[in-house]
Amino acid sequence: TQLLEQSPQFLSIQEGENLTVYCNSSSVFSSLQWYRQEPGEGPVLLVTVVTGGEVKKLKRLTFQFGDARKDSSLHITAAQPGDTGLYLCAGRSYGQNFVFGPGTRLSVLP
Amino acid sequence: DAGVTQSPTHLIKTRGQQVTLRCSPKSGHDTVSWYQQALGQGPQFIFQYYEEEERQRGNFPDRFSGHQFPNYSSELNVNALWLGDSALYLCASSPNKGKETQYFGPGTRLLVL
Repeated sequence: TQLLEQSPQFLSIQEGENLTVYCNSSSVFSSLQWYRQEPGEGPVLLVTVVTGGEVKKLKRLTFQFGDARKDSSLHITAAQPGDTGLYLCAGRSYGQNFVFGPGTRLSVLP
Repeated sequence: DAGVTQSPTHLIKTRGQQVTLRCSPKSGHDTVSWYQQALGQGPQFIFQYYEEEERQRGNFPDRFSGHQFPNYSSELNVNALWLGDSALYLCASSPNKGKETQYFGPGTRLLVL
């Protein structure tokens, strides 16, 4: 059974600060995704990474896939209140469906 | 272009009852997946439908069943509801050839009393 762990579970920071959240597993994934979910809504896909060591940037968000394709990180620069939400990672092995982690709940205070 | 839509938005049932949830996929998508998201948890995969057949299934009992219609819309049925079935039920659609990209609906929040 594939398990994804995310840390920290909760994070509360001030506007303008930087932060990094982590997604870890003992399983190797063919691809890994990050989503953001806001209250009352479904998750929204932010990025998909497929190559070990891959780094992708989306404005102030930087995503990295570990060299061994077992872990990933999401770094946010100069966080804004609009970044508030539940950040979910989801990993997929060949022929399988995505397995989601429990999420990191981020609160950015103005 | 409408995204993924789900109905109803909220539902309250009692133990032992049955429930049917509905999902209309994004235009052009033919694959529908259902997830259960308990409070404070990430979504858990229930099953996926393509060409009106269940293609993959997660670790859920037979009380959970589904259907896909020729227009690609889908239903999730849960029989003999337990208190533990209370959760947000999410539907996600994707094009079969682009399965990496899932678009989620807003979900149906089910409360079992």
